[in-house]
Amino acid sequence: GQQLNQSPQSMFIQEGEDVSMNCTSSSIFNTWLWYKQEPGEGPVLLIALYKAGELTSNGRLTAQFGITRKDSFLNISASIPSDVGIYFCAGQLTRNQFYFGTGTSLTVIP
Amino acid sequence: DGGITQSPKYLFRKEGQNVTLSCEQNLNHDAMYWYRQDPGQGLRLIYYSQIVNDFQKGDIAEGYSVSREKKESFPLTVTSAQKNPTAFYLCASTESGTSGGRYFGPGTRLTVT
Repeated sequence: GQQLNQSPQSMFIQEGEDVSMNCTSSSIFNTWLWYKQEPGEGPVLLIALYKAGELTSNGRLTAQFGITRKDSFLNISASIPSDVGIYFCAGQLTRNQFYFGTGTSLTVIP
Repeated sequence: DGGITQSPKYLFRKEGQNVTLSCEQNLNHDAMYWYRQDPGQGLRLIYYSQIVNDFQKGDIAEGYSVSREKKESFPLTVTSAQKNPTAFYLCASTESGTSGGRYFGPGTRLTVT
């Protein structure tokens, strides 16, 4: 199946810094989603985006659906230690055309 | 509370034995999915089911089997034919409609020795 390219692959940041990551695809999608996965747990849905250009926030998290429909961005402001985990993007065209990104591992140094 | 439950959290089996992983959801979702995740890797689709009594192979179905006798339940059997069964298995379900987000269970870590 298709896999989306996420970057960066990993990040090591100081507590309080802002974080940016992105996800790109060669195909367009109707929906972009962002998940966070902590060790030994299932991914948790953070933000879902349904319209090109849409900008949606969830607390300190903000995500955008790219205008071209081929990319999406996630920003985390003022990072805290509990932000640690792996962040996955996912692009969806139909209910069964659903593809995950390669993941961005985030480490926050107190 | 609505959600997806997977049991057990950890499962140990000897090589050559079949093992069944449980997945139950009370979200009233039509579609359910099984994924496999290896250390440091993304998620790969094993099987999915859009309605009761129907299921489709995903990208890595070999060595696995599923059933969907009830809307709420989608068990996965890892058979002895699966060459590398040790992995983290995730069940998910999706809201009705084409744009529904996919929701995941807490996962089952299977170790086969």
